[in-house]
Amino acid sequence: DTAVSQTPKYLVTQMGNDKSIKCEQNLGHDTMYWYKQDSKKFLKIMFSYNNKELIINETVPNRFSPKSPDKAHLNLHINSLELGDSAVYFCASSQGWGPQGEKLFFGSGTQLSVL
Amino acid sequence: SQKIEQNSEALNIQEGKTATLTCNYTNYSPAYLQWYRQDPGRGPVFLLLIRENEKEKRKERLKVTFDTTLKQSLFHITASQPADSATYLCALDMGGGYQKVTFGTGTKLQVIP
Repeated sequence: DTAVSQTPKYLVTQMGNDKSIKCEQNLGHDTMYWYKQDSKKFLKIMFSYNNKELIINETVPNRFSPKSPDKAHLNLHINSLELGDSAVYFCASSQGWGPQGEKLFFGSGTQLSVL
Repeated sequence: SQKIEQNSEALNIQEGKTATLTCNYTNYSPAYLQWYRQDPGRGPVFLLLIRENEKEKRKERLKVTFDTTLKQSLFHITASQPADSATYLCALDMGGGYQKVTFGTGTKLQVIP
């Protein structure tokens, strides 16, 4: 059983389209995240949710809208896709969200290519 | 702003030697620092966490040190094997009350048989 699973693995689409990436974790964790890894492999946090509530929003364009229907799911919807959105998007989860330090469990990533 | 630098983009070493990777940070005092391993086409996998009041942490062939004065962490893999070849990422919490883990740019380690 995959702990953090995200779909699709690959997403190729045209500029201007709207697309969604889904993420589910079966670890019973309270906190979920979206990270973006660019072509230089720099991994940057986008959003964090704790028990369906948004707790971190890292100045991401409002074309990106995360949705957490329950604490096991965190989806990412992207409107009006741009070339610069091409990257690998990773979903992750952790037991908690506090400053005591929690290890992150990552999905295998969604490679988004905007043409 | 916070900067996390891993000193080498790539590091090649002979099998059996000790690999040492460096992570430096500026403008912040994190409560802890983490190290992850990332293989091509996969998500990062957690390896070790070290807190600010800990000098050293070990797990099997892995050792991490944390010097809050130098603002530096060293990550060692002893008796390295070709299977250790991967990209290693250091990460620290930006704080603010919530876990906002920020990653360095990574060091790609190649262990040559």
